[in-house]
Amino acid sequence: EDQVTQSPEALRLQEGESSSLNCSYTVSGLRGLFWYRQDPGKGPEFLFTLYSAGEEKEKERLKATLTKKESFLHITAPKPEDSATYLCAVQGGSEKLVFGKGTKLTVNP
Amino acid sequence: GAVVSQHPSRVICKSGTSVKIECRSLDFQATTMFWYRQFPKKSLMLMATSNEGSKATYEQGVEKDKFLINHASLTLSTLTVTSAHPEDSSFYICSVSRVDNEQFFGPGTRLTVL
Repeated sequence: EDQVTQSPEALRLQEGESSSLNCSYTVSGLRGLFWYRQDPGKGPEFLFTLYSAGEEKEKERLKATLTKKESFLHITAPKPEDSATYLCAVQGGSEKLVFGKGTKLTVNP
Repeated sequence: GAVVSQHPSRVICKSGTSVKIECRSLDFQATTMFWYRQFPKKSLMLMATSNEGSKATYEQGVEKDKFLINHASLTLSTLTVTSAHPEDSSFYICSVSRVDNEQFFGPGTRLTVL
């Protein structure tokens, strides 16, 4: 059974304080690992897809990396508007996504 | 711009009534759409996979007679919550899958059953 574990559950940072979110996974035949951002009361917003170990993708202050067992979402010099819940999901043999419980990030000004 | 739309965004209904939620793919034709449910402070739980022109595939534990899914066209899937009860109150979100396997989510529908 495909599984995703995200840590920490919650993270508080000061503006400008860089950090990383972790996503550990087990999956039978990884087709893709996805990162989403979700604001309260809204649907998840697509951030990145990673397909193979060693792959990295960047978007503004965010950088996602992938190994065979985990993925990291690095946040460099975060701003208050980066506050959200970040969701990680894996896609195995089917098109279905299996989500982790998310990391709630709060960035204080 | 938005890739997926949902309607309505919020609905409040009385116990025993049925509620229909629409999910539209705006940018591309989607042979497959997905319906999720999310409880407060919890992650997304896949309810069913909606396939255009065929029956939906439901996840274990999801009542197919309770949650009716119709994928009538390549851009529209509907979820009908039949005889809704307070325990059906939740945030329902659909997603569409692009050919490169990336999934884009709708803005969600907040259902409150009184």
